[in-house]
Amino acid sequence: AQKITQTQPGMFVQEKEAVTLDCTYDTSDQSYGLFWYKQPSSGEMIFLIYQGSYDEQNATEGRYSLNFQKARKSANLVISASQLGDSAMYFCAMREGGTGGFKTIFGAGTRLFVKA
Amino acid sequence: KAGVTQTPRYLIKTRGQQVTLSCSPISGHRSVSWYQQTPGQGLQFLFEYFSETQRNKGNFPGRFSGRQFSNSRSEMNVSTLELGDSALYLCASSLPSGAHTDTQYFGPGTRLTVL
Repeated sequence: AQKITQTQPGMFVQEKEAVTLDCTYDTSDQSYGLFWYKQPSSGEMIFLIYQGSYDEQNATEGRYSLNFQKARKSANLVISASQLGDSAMYFCAMREGGTGGFKTIFGAGTRLFVKA
Repeated sequence: KAGVTQTPRYLIKTRGQQVTLSCSPISGHRSVSWYQQTPGQGLQFLFEYFSETQRNKGNFPGRFSGRQFSNSRSEMNVSTLELGDSALYLCASSLPSGAHTDTQYFGPGTRLTVL
């Protein structure tokens, strides 16, 4: 069963506007971590933001914020004031596991295009 | 502090050969994970190492193996290469703390092409 769902294969946004990238997840664990990564065309994965399952407040990192709705199992990424350099693939990920080890599961990604 | 480094960056092999990829984590990081990224399957977890022990393994055949050394550096080996092994192989390191809070930092990847 797919555990991380990103329903937007591609998104367009005008420079300086805000954009929301959707992510829903599925897990039976109570403890898990949610992450967003950016992957430019160069291929390297860049960590953007983290939200813990027990965190009550939404995480923010500069222009990035995570809209965490635990009951709906969603963890949407909001990018404010988009810049041309934000054009990239964005991956939502969930880290789960226990004493037997942990693993991070990634969604299929959303490709963001920022228009000038 | 230097980031995660992976060598080589690019590799071309032929079917049936074997390949070894290397990953040096961020200084002080003790956990290393490997991922395979392909256009069709996306990012898939291969395995995770912590203190020279494999803690978890993804759903890959036994041709894929790895190890971690005492300095936390890790290697991944793929034997009897198949065309479908062509992919970007990403290594990530983290500083284990509360585990679910561990942020993984990725290297630039090794792009493997199997002909």
